[in-house]
Amino acid sequence: SAVISQKPSRDICQRGTSLTIQCQVDSQVTMMFWYRQQPGQSLTLIATANQGSEATYESGFVIDKFPISRPNLTFSTLTVSNMSPEDSSIYLCSVEGGLGNEQFFGPGTRLTVL
Amino acid sequence: AQSVTQPDIHITVSEGASLELRCNYSYGATPYLFWYVQSPGQGLQLLLKYFSGDTLVQGIKGFEAEFKRSQSSFNLRKPSVHWSDAAEYFCAVGVDSGGSNYKLTFGKGTLLTVNP
Repeated sequence: SAVISQKPSRDICQRGTSLTIQCQVDSQVTMMFWYRQQPGQSLTLIATANQGSEATYESGFVIDKFPISRPNLTFSTLTVSNMSPEDSSIYLCSVEGGLGNEQFFGPGTRLTVL
Repeated sequence: AQSVTQPDIHITVSEGASLELRCNYSYGATPYLFWYVQSPGQGLQLLLKYFSGDTLVQGIKGFEAEFKRSQSSFNLRKPSVHWSDAAEYFCAVGVDSGGSNYKLTFGKGTLLTVNP
C-alpha cells in the first residue's frame, strides 16, 4: 500500500488569504486525487491530477479557486485561494495503487477559515 | 450520474452484537464498490472492495460485504462488534474515468457508536 503524508495537518486562516496543502507519496503514482470533506458531510472529489498535464476539475470546482500542481510522480499541491468560512473543511489527497487499484488516502488537512 | 445512499446516519450497537450497515448505489453499469472507515482525526482506511467475481467479499478487521445486483446494494456486516470499531463508515462507488483509473463517489456516511 502507498504511504501518504500531508502538510499541514491543520491550519487556521483568515478570510481572503490562501493556503497551499502538500501531498507526498512514498512511491510513484500516475493519478492523484483531491477531495473535500465539509463538516459533517461526505467526501467530494475536487479534481484529478496527472503528472505533466492540467488537473481535471469536477463540476462546481474551478482552477482559479483550487489551483493544483503536480510537478512529479510523488508530489502534488492544492491551493485554496481567497478563502471564506465556507472553505472550512478537511482536504484529503488520495492515490491509486496496489494490486487491486485501490485508492489510498492521506491523513487529511483540517482547515478552519475565520 | 452515479450516487450512493447510506440510509442510516447513526447506528448504536452493544459490544459483541452483530452489525449491518446499509449501502445502496445508483449506476448504469457494474460498479466498483468500496467500504472505508474513518476514525476520529484519522484518514480513510479501506475495509474491503468489490470489483468482480464472488459477491461476498471479505475485508480487514473481520468485516464482510455482499454485493446484490438485484437490490443495488453492498451492505457491510460484522458478526461481533468491538469497541474499537466505533468510527464513521463510508460506502463508495468507483466510476471508470479512463484507462485503469476510476473516480470515487461517496455516501454521506454512517456513524457507529459502540456501547460497552
